Amino acid sequence: AQSVAQPEDQVNVAEGNPLTVKCTYSVSGNPYLFWYVQYPNRGLQFLLKYITGDNLVKGSYGFEAEFNKSQTSFHLKKPSALVSDSALYFCAVRDRGGNKLTFGTGTQLKVEL
Amino acid sequence: DTGVSQDPRHKITKRGQNVTFRCDPISEHNRLYWYRQTLGQGPEFLTYFQNEAQLEKSRLLSDRFSAERPKGSFSTLEIQRTEQGDSAMYLCASSRTRGKFTDTQYFGPGTRLTVL
Repeated sequence: AQSVAQPEDQVNVAEGNPLTVKCTYSVSGNPYLFWYVQYPNRGLQFLLKYITGDNLVKGSYGFEAEFNKSQTSFHLKKPSALVSDSALYFCAVRDRGGNKLTFGTGTQLKVEL
Repeated sequence: DTGVSQDPRHKITKRGQNVTFRCDPISEHNRLYWYRQTLGQGPEFLTYFQNEAQLEKSRLLSDRFSAERPKGSFSTLEIQRTEQGDSAMYLCASSRTRGKFTDTQYFGPGTRLTVL
């Protein structure tokens, strides 16, 4: 069975500082990995995905994520955080033969002035 | 806007009543998914369709739940005899299949169900 762990319920960072939101996964074979963001009372908005190729994936709004196969991690990063980045972030995994996404429990990002 | 749409956005019902939600996927997407999200949790997979065929159902989808996609376009999710434990956000997503590869799932705004 596939699973995702987001070890931090909340991450606080000052505006302008770099941010990292952590994600580790477990899946049979090579994974498809995704990051989504959710604003209050809204659906999930796609940020980026890793399918194959370069381990550093660039996505929307200046976010990027690094795939590390040996550590089974897919951490989300941004060089300079904005207050408007404050939201709930979900990491998700899908195995290559499957169709459903398995999500982590989410990490609340709070960016303060 | 050509994203995934869901209706209604909010539904309050009394325990024991039946409710039905609708999802309209992105027009060229042949796959449609339903997920349920409870407070403090990530979305959990319920079921998915490829065109009009329902290809997978989660064990979370009890006999009280039924989903349809009759013409391979919009989908409905019905919950019969609602229980308070059904209170959640119900999310719909769609994607397209290109060969053996299934593209990114794009989510709608969700339907928040409250069962009193």
